[in-house]
Amino acid sequence: KQEVTQIPAALSVPEGENLVLNCSFTDSAIYNLQWFRQDPGKGLTSLLLIQSSQREQTSGRLNASLDKSSGRSTLYIAASQPGDSATYLCAVSLDGSARQLTFGSGTQLTVLP
Amino acid sequence: DGGITQSPKYLFRKEGQNVTLSCEQNLNHDAMYWYRQDPGQGLRLIYYSQIVNDFQKGDIAEGYSVSREKKESFPLTVTSAQKNPTAFYLCASGLAGVTGELFFGEGSRLTVL
Repeated sequence: KQEVTQIPAALSVPEGENLVLNCSFTDSAIYNLQWFRQDPGKGLTSLLLIQSSQREQTSGRLNASLDKSSGRSTLYIAASQPGDSATYLCAVSLDGSARQLTFGSGTQLTVLP
Repeated sequence: DGGITQSPKYLFRKEGQNVTLSCEQNLNHDAMYWYRQDPGQGLRLIYYSQIVNDFQKGDIAEGYSVSREKKESFPLTVTSAQKNPTAFYLCASGLAGVTGELFFGEGSRLTVL
């Protein structure tokens, strides 16, 4: 059974710092991996989707990388801002469908002004 | 505006009562999903539907029921058989069978008194 782990569970950084969030998964035979953002008491917003054939995806200050063979993904946030404070979750899909998504428990990020 | 609407945002229930959570989308998506989120855990799939009048159990379907009579609507009933129903419930939609984004509602927080 696929398991997704995100460490650390919580992270605090000063504004302006570059940071990396980690996601690891046990079954490397994934179809794709997604990173989501969740604000307190809210739903999830998709940030980046990486197909298994890709190494990375970029959107603005966000860059997500994927190393399938080692079962790892990282989300890099450049020049962090207080507005980046949220919980970041990763999810992997074995067959590309949402019904096969396995979520990590998330990293709660606080960016201090 | 296109999106997913969940209601109510907060709901309190006495033990032994059934409650129904509403989920409506106007994104013209065929697939809809219900997830449960508990503190410090990832999302777990309760039920999903790929097309009207059809739905499938997810990983934790016991004590829950759904219907899909209209494309736009996918209500979730939390029955008295659900042993630990206090949680945050999230509805999502997406394109059936296609790798891509999931769009989430704002969630409904159910508390059993």
